[in-house]
Amino acid sequence: DAGVIQSPRHEVTEMGQEVTLRCKPISGHDYLFWYRQTMMRGLELLIYFNNNVPIDDSGMPEDRFSAKMPNASFSTLKIQPSEPRDSAVYFCASSFPRLGTSPRTSYNEQFFGPGTRLTVL
Amino acid sequence: QQQVKQSPQSLIVQKGGISIINCAYENTAFDYFPWYQQFPGKGPALLIAIRPDVSEKKEGRFTISFNKSAKQFSLHIMDSQPGDSATYFCAAKYGSNYQLIWGAGTKLIIKP
Repeated sequence: DAGVIQSPRHEVTEMGQEVTLRCKPISGHDYLFWYRQTMMRGLELLIYFNNNVPIDDSGMPEDRFSAKMPNASFSTLKIQPSEPRDSAVYFCASSFPRLGTSPRTSYNEQFFGPGTRLTVL
Repeated sequence: QQQVKQSPQSLIVQKGGISIINCAYENTAFDYFPWYQQFPGKGPALLIAIRPDVSEKKEGRFTISFNKSAKQFSLHIMDSQPGDSATYFCAAKYGSNYQLIWGAGTKLIIKP
């Protein structure tokens, strides 16, 4: 498998423009996570999906951010309008939880994509 | 209560030395504690993980030590090598909630 695929790898845009980041999870994985990484705030979870349904979007910073997962093999993160403070590396990760005999023995490994480095001027 | 506190923020170790990174948590419902390793320009990748029913897990030069009563766990890298230079994240999860609670990260530099 090619792993988690993200595009574009780098994006430079002007303030106020719409930005769309794309992610293709690993086939068969039913969880998808969007993260943002900055020096100041570290690794932040923005939103995650299970079976294409958003489960928790409490990390989405504001209404300018939206995420969709129209099918099991594709997700987008959109910023409209973009601002300089949105500059960061955005990661997509997918996982296939391994179920134990109880939730306490369950765990999952998250597989990260290479990230999209976004610069908003 | 949902936080995982990681220290130090950065660490410099001589080649061949032992690197130690510590994490602490409050939520006793956490049941899975992974460590992720991130190289520059790459996404984090799972390095090693432990569940709270064991006190230690070793994989090669990497060991997790887990102290349930103190609610702390640490990553030890023995015989540290320049190729180990990376950012390390501890994390935790609980029950069927498959999101991870992440530490702030430790930037490790191994000096030749």
